[in-house]
Amino acid sequence: QVQLQESGPRLVKPSETLSLTCAVSGYSISSGYHWGWIRQSPGKGLECIGSIYHSGNTYYNPSLKSRVTISVDTSKNQFSLRLSSVTAADTAVYYCARGGGSYRTIDYWGQGTLVTVSS
Amino acid sequence: DVVMTQSPLSLPVTLGQPASFSCRSSQSLVHSDGNTYLNWFQQRPGQSPRRLIYKISNRDSGVPDRFSGSGSGTDFTLKITRVEAEDVGLYYCMQGTHWPPTFGQGTKVEMK
Repeated sequence: QVQLQESGPRLVKPSETLSLTCAVSGYSISSGYHWGWIRQSPGKGLECIGSIYHSGNTYYNPSLKSRVTISVDTSKNQFSLRLSSVTAADTAVYYCARGGGSYRTIDYWGQGTLVTVSS
Repeated sequence: DVVMTQSPLSLPVTLGQPASFSCRSSQSLVHSDGNTYLNWFQQRPGQSPRRLIYKISNRDSGVPDRFSGSGSGTDFTLKITRVEAEDVGLYYCMQGTHWPPTFGQGTKVEMK
């Protein structure tokens, strides 16, 4: 059974960088699939942030591309999100998730972690 | 971005009765490879989304057969033949044909 677990600071100050890590168990990232981040907020609903293939190729939502970095560490079987220059609008529940076929579908989700941007 | 519009936004249902909700996309979801990447997710209160249906009508393993998906092009439907108490929650459609993937705003299913 594939399981994903997010970890990272729950409170981030405005203008700083949000950093989250997703630990994957039950499947080796290096075996394939896309691995990405989705966030959910009352104002914007569900929003795809971006994804990374096991080879390291990344795909970012154009609306966030200038601020997002997704990276993968196959030795630890985990991948990470960095979102810079955050504002209150970035407050959301952040999910890591596995996607198939260039993230055309999403079959496994983490439990999600609420990240609040506030001073 | 492709805009996904769901209706209704709220759907009061009766146990044992059918339910149906709609999802429309701002452009065709038919991919150049011939597939239509339209997914349906269920999000129960306090939980992560769970995929129910992929490529319009393919049910995930473990999803009850009372759930079915249909549609084509820009117009899609999720149906529940007989609603059960565990079906309460939010239902989202998501398109994966065009980058970035986008979600509808959700339909909230609640008991009358």
